[in-house]
Amino acid sequence: AQKITQTQPGMFVQEKEAVTLDCTYDTSDQSYGLFWYKQPSSGEMIFLIYQGSYDEQNATEGRYSLNFQKARKSANLVISASQLGDSAMYFCAISDSNYQLIWGAGTKLIIKP
Amino acid sequence: EAGVTQSPTHLIKTRGQQATLRCSPISGHTSVYWYQQALGLGLQFLLWYDEGEERNRGNFPPRFSGRQFPNYSSELNVNALELEDSALYLCASSMGPSYGYTFGSGTRLTVV
Repeated sequence: AQKITQTQPGMFVQEKEAVTLDCTYDTSDQSYGLFWYKQPSSGEMIFLIYQGSYDEQNATEGRYSLNFQKARKSANLVISASQLGDSAMYFCAISDSNYQLIWGAGTKLIIKP
Repeated sequence: EAGVTQSPTHLIKTRGQQATLRCSPISGHTSVYWYQQALGLGLQFLLWYDEGEERNRGNFPPRFSGRQFPNYSSELNVNALELEDSALYLCASSMGPSYGYTFGSGTRLTVV
């Protein structure tokens, strides 16, 4: 069975600094997808970035990049030049063979001015 | 393009009652997923509908049920409400996992 572990329950980061949110996963599937979502206090889940298990290049989307280390089963999210609006909960998830997302517990990120 | 819409935004029910939550996916998305997020916790998978059929369900009792209509919109029904059913219920739609899942803003259900 798939499992996602996010070891950082909360983080403080100074505005404009880069931040790395950790995510490790466990799966027996050869083909899987890894996702990062942001959930601001409003509750909506916002899709940030996706990495397929066979993608050789690390995914990037604007200020977001995914540091994918397949051998270590690690899929850390890197946010460059953090902004106050980045303060939110961040969830890592993995899709299984039924396209069901298995979620981590989340990391609460607080950006300090 | 309209996103995933959920209604109502807030719902207050008393214990033992039934709640019905609705979700309209993005046009062209055939899959709808329902998740429960209790306060301070991560998302728990509830149900997956695709092309009108239930494809998978999470570890929830049978009083959590739903359906998907021909236009791909979906309903989540929770019968015999219990206090611990109070949570944010999120609906997501997708064309497939590599496209990501687009979430609605959720329905906040409070059981008193």
